[in-house]
Amino acid sequence: DSGVTQTPKHLITATGQRVTLRCSPRSGDLSVYWYQQSLDQGLQFLIQYYNGEERAKGNILERFSAQQFPDLHSELNLSSLELGDSALYFCASSARDFGETQYFGPGTRLLVL
Amino acid sequence: DQQVKQNSPSLSVQEGRISILNCDYTNSMFDYFLWYKKYPAEGPTFLISISSIKDKNEDGRFTVFLNKSAKHLSLHIVPSQPGDSAVYFCAASERTYKYIFGTGTRLKVLA
Repeated sequence: DSGVTQTPKHLITATGQRVTLRCSPRSGDLSVYWYQQSLDQGLQFLIQYYNGEERAKGNILERFSAQQFPDLHSELNLSSLELGDSALYFCASSARDFGETQYFGPGTRLLVL
Repeated sequence: DQQVKQNSPSLSVQEGRISILNCDYTNSMFDYFLWYKKYPAEGPTFLISISSIKDKNEDGRFTVFLNKSAKHLSLHIVPSQPGDSAVYFCAASERTYKYIFGTGTRLKVLA
């Protein structure tokens, strides 16, 4: 158990809809990272938040957004969903910033029908 | 364009033998490399890392080798155990905020 929790574990929705994925980092960790893993793809870095502020952006679509709240949990919002958004979405946390070990949650499996 | 490539999607090894997982990268500015292991229905877990100032890092049965001139790193597991069966991801960083992950190699250790 990494100490990172993600909810929900599974999500099935329809194209055009909007969903919110939630992540609680390990106790004391200030950074939260979001990754997407599509079929046969590696983990694609989406975005990082550090202590409530956006720190780094990766291959995140404009239809996606994220935020980190004062209690350090984070939410990833996916809107106008398309079939191709079906993937595993992982959240990871680290004590401070990149360059440190990231601890991953179990992931949320999103299926867009 | 895949900056980090794991060209072998799968690998099978007998228990007790050596497992060698390979990873190639294209960006010569990468200076920090990691290996993560992932079991089904779980998130990836950190295994071992290496900085570009080193060419080898060892942790128990796991050793990572870095060949900067060839832009290649490898993970050696000796001896391999059935519990090592998992998907292994290599990742690289350019001293910035982003880890670039490979597509993973599925290792199966046969008892």
